Amino acid sequence: AQKVTQAQTEISVVEKEDVTLDCVYETRDTTYYLFWYKQPPSGELVFLIRRNSFDEQNEISGRYSWNFQKSTSSFNFTITASQVVDSAVYFCALSEDWTGNQFYFGTGTSLTVIP
Amino acid sequence: NAGVTQTPKFQVLKTGQSMTLQCAQDMNHNSMYWYRQDPGMGLRLIYYSASEGTTDKGEVPNGYNVSRLNKREFSLRLESAAPSQTSVYFCASSDRLRETVSNQPQHFGDGTRLSIL
Repeated sequence: AQKVTQAQTEISVVEKEDVTLDCVYETRDTTYYLFWYKQPPSGELVFLIRRNSFDEQNEISGRYSWNFQKSTSSFNFTITASQVVDSAVYFCALSEDWTGNQFYFGTGTSLTVIP
Repeated sequence: NAGVTQTPKFQVLKTGQSMTLQCAQDMNHNSMYWYRQDPGMGLRLIYYSASEGTTDKGEVPNGYNVSRLNKREFSLRLESAAPSQTSVYFCASSDRLRETVSNQPQHFGDGTRLSIL
């Protein structure tokens, strides 16, 4: 069965601190896709990144970076030099399909960046 | 702007009332989805439609029905609303071919906040 665990329910950091959001997944598929979404207070879902199970290269996009480790079934997300605008709920998700057909979402981590 | 449009944005119902949530996308996507989001639960798939004319159950289909009216529209119906169905409902769409252009796995609507008293 597919399962995504985000053990951190809420995190608070002071602006400019770095923060890592953890994501651990379970799947029996050999091919799968991992995703991160951001949900700001306005409520919409913003797609951040997709990774397939064959690509373990870390990815960096500006202040955001992702660390994918198949050995520990983890896909962690780090925000460097956090800003108030980063305050949101962040969801990690798993799918057997690259379009996210039948996403399995984690329960989300609520990040608050304090100015 | 192109995207996924959900109506209504907010709704309050009484227990036992029926309601249809509407969703339309103008991106010519084949696949459409309905999710519900509850506090501390993340998003859970209710139903999806891989293509026009087909629908399948997701993780939490009980108490809901869906209709893929045409390629653009995918509606979610609550026949007899219950307080446990109080949630935020998201519709989404995707398409394998077009996704390579947009680089988004699924496009989500802005959500419908539904309260059942």
